[in-house]
Amino acid sequence: DTEVTQTPKHLVMGMTNKKSLKCEQHMGHRAMYWYKQKAKKPPELMFVYSYEKLSINESVPSRFSPECPNSSLLNLHLHALQPEDSALYLCASSQIRREKLFFGSGTQLSVL
Amino acid sequence: GENVEQHPSTLSVQEGDSAVIKCTYSDSASNYFPWYKQELGKRPQLIIDIRSNVGEKKDQRIAVTLNKTAKHFSLHITETQPEDSAVYFCAASNSGGSNYKLTFGKGTLLTVNP
Repeated sequence: DTEVTQTPKHLVMGMTNKKSLKCEQHMGHRAMYWYKQKAKKPPELMFVYSYEKLSINESVPSRFSPECPNSSLLNLHLHALQPEDSALYLCASSQIRREKLFFGSGTQLSVL
Repeated sequence: GENVEQHPSTLSVQEGDSAVIKCTYSDSASNYFPWYKQELGKRPQLIIDIRSNVGEKKDQRIAVTLNKTAKHFSLHITETQPEDSAVYFCAASNSGGSNYKLTFGKGTLLTVNP
């Protein structure tokens, strides 16, 4: 299995809602990542987990809360988002100290 | 931190022609340089990568060259086809530690006209 699976594929939420994005991989990768991508822009790194521990937080606002319950799963909890947070949210994974990132298909998020 | 510049931002070629996209990086410690292809509405997919101990790598119609002294690397696509139309991102990283961070260029929109 060489897939990174993300759910849901599309999400529309209001500014007062709480929602979660989910990511799963079964490649035995111990590094997992959240990226945010605006249209026609490159992916921007948000968070990195290494061995289920948060190792990089790129100064992301606290309305985004990551969680890594186990080595296969990565969640991103969303609360009180702003319309400018609307974007494609990509999950990725890699082996530790290995450079190749495997991206999921992403969740297209719209905040109304 | 690392800074990656990518040119051109858009590139239009006729089917069968070659396409070249160029990137420069700032951090001399960077040692890994992947290229990602992203079709509209889809995930970025790794198409080729090169490490700093290699000057050139080829995979069928795609090749990447690296000049460490000048800190630039390029993607070459020969015999372009309409299905090559996509946004291409170069990236650079220093993979020496466990906190792995890729820095992306701003992307090149390649259009291959039939």
